[in-house]
Amino acid sequence: DAKTTQPPSMDCAEGRAANLPCNHSTISGNEYVYWYRQIHSQGPQYIIHGLKNNETNEMASLIITEDRKSSTLILPHATLRDTAVYYCIVRDNYGQNFVFGPGTRLSVLP
Amino acid sequence: EAQVTQNPRYLITVTGKKLTVTCSQNMNHEYMSWYRQDPGLGLRQIYYSMNVEVTDKGDVPEGYKVSRKEKRNFPLILESPSPNQTSLYFCASSLSPGLDTEAFFGQGTRLTVV
Repeated sequence: DAKTTQPPSMDCAEGRAANLPCNHSTISGNEYVYWYRQIHSQGPQYIIHGLKNNETNEMASLIITEDRKSSTLILPHATLRDTAVYYCIVRDNYGQNFVFGPGTRLSVLP
Repeated sequence: EAQVTQNPRYLITVTGKKLTVTCSQNMNHEYMSWYRQDPGLGLRQIYYSMNVEVTDKGDVPEGYKVSRKEKRNFPLILESPSPNQTSLYFCASSLSPGLDTEAFFGQGTRLTVV
């Protein structure tokens, strides 16, 4: 499985953009990058995913570098409710498993 | 509302007493799976099911059983629970196991085995 590396924690001021980086230097050509988040001990919540192009939805934007070795999740206007652990995941070749690493603990500060 | 429902949300049991954690999804998804989450170890897959009557082991299947008799339900069975199975469990479903599908997770079951 491709491995991802994320910073263990980040802070962001409320109302500012939160930019969460992820390195996935061994990603294969047909593997997607997914982002999930987990608030407290609730079930992981899907945010966004992409293959090559940048993606945007109502929750966030995903910027993938041209070489696909890294990506950034952007929460454009972070709120206190965005405080959570954010997981960057590269889906394995058979698509049967989401391999969750330790993620980034984002704290949105008032 | 599209959702994955797990029951119970909390359970305290004793070693050796068989238990079942239920999981149901209302999205007609083919693919379902179970994860456990432990501090420092992240989420690890226990079992998954590609479709009705098709199940397979994930990364940590020891001590667990599953069944998939109908598409919407995927119960997790602990025949003889032990304290090392104390964990937070999540059920997930997705339309297919393909690369371009998101997974929906249940709200979790916190199991304590004493």
